[in-house]
Amino acid sequence: EDQVTQSPEALRLQEGESSSLNCSYTVSGLRGLFWYRQDPGKGPEFLFTLYSAGEEKEKERLKATLTKKESFLHITAPKPEDSATYLCAVRRRIQGAQKLVFGQGTRLTINP
Amino acid sequence: DAGVIQSPRHEVTEMGQEVTLRCKPISGHNSLFWYRQTMMRGLELLIYFNNNVPIDDSGMPEDRFSAKMPNASFSTLKIQPSEPRDSAVYFCASSFSGGGDRELFFGEGSRLTVL
Repeated sequence: EDQVTQSPEALRLQEGESSSLNCSYTVSGLRGLFWYRQDPGKGPEFLFTLYSAGEEKEKERLKATLTKKESFLHITAPKPEDSATYLCAVRRRIQGAQKLVFGQGTRLTINP
Repeated sequence: DAGVIQSPRHEVTEMGQEVTLRCKPISGHNSLFWYRQTMMRGLELLIYFNNNVPIDDSGMPEDRFSAKMPNASFSTLKIQPSEPRDSAVYFCASSFSGGGDRELFFGEGSRLTVL
């Protein structure tokens, strides 16, 4: 059974304090690991897709990395506007269509 | 460009009533997904359609839940009869399964409260 575990559940940082969020996964036939950002009262917003171990992608203060068992979302010198819940999801192909399984998310708060 | 459009944004109803949630996917997308989000269980996939055909409904909790996609631009999720444990935020998402990253684009969600 596909499993996605994110840690920590919640993280509070001071503005400028860098850190990393973890996503551990178990999936048969991984066809992509996704990171999403979700603001309160909104739907998840796509950030990155990673396909193979060793791959890295960056966007502003965020960098996502992937190994065979986990992914990290590194946040460098965060700002208060980076506060959100960050969701990780894995995808595998079923009957010609994609299926995403999400983790519980990490709720990130950046204090000014 | 219009994103995924869901209605209603908020619904408060009494136990036993029928609830219908609506979704308009992004034009040109051929896959549509219904998710439910709660604090306890996070985001759970209920059902997804590919080219208007239901592919996997194994996430639908029970027979009280049903979903339809009569055409490429409209889908409904119906709960009848509703129960308090159905209270959650229901998200619709769409994607294009023809290639590329094929990320999901989510709507703003429909927050359902069953009293």
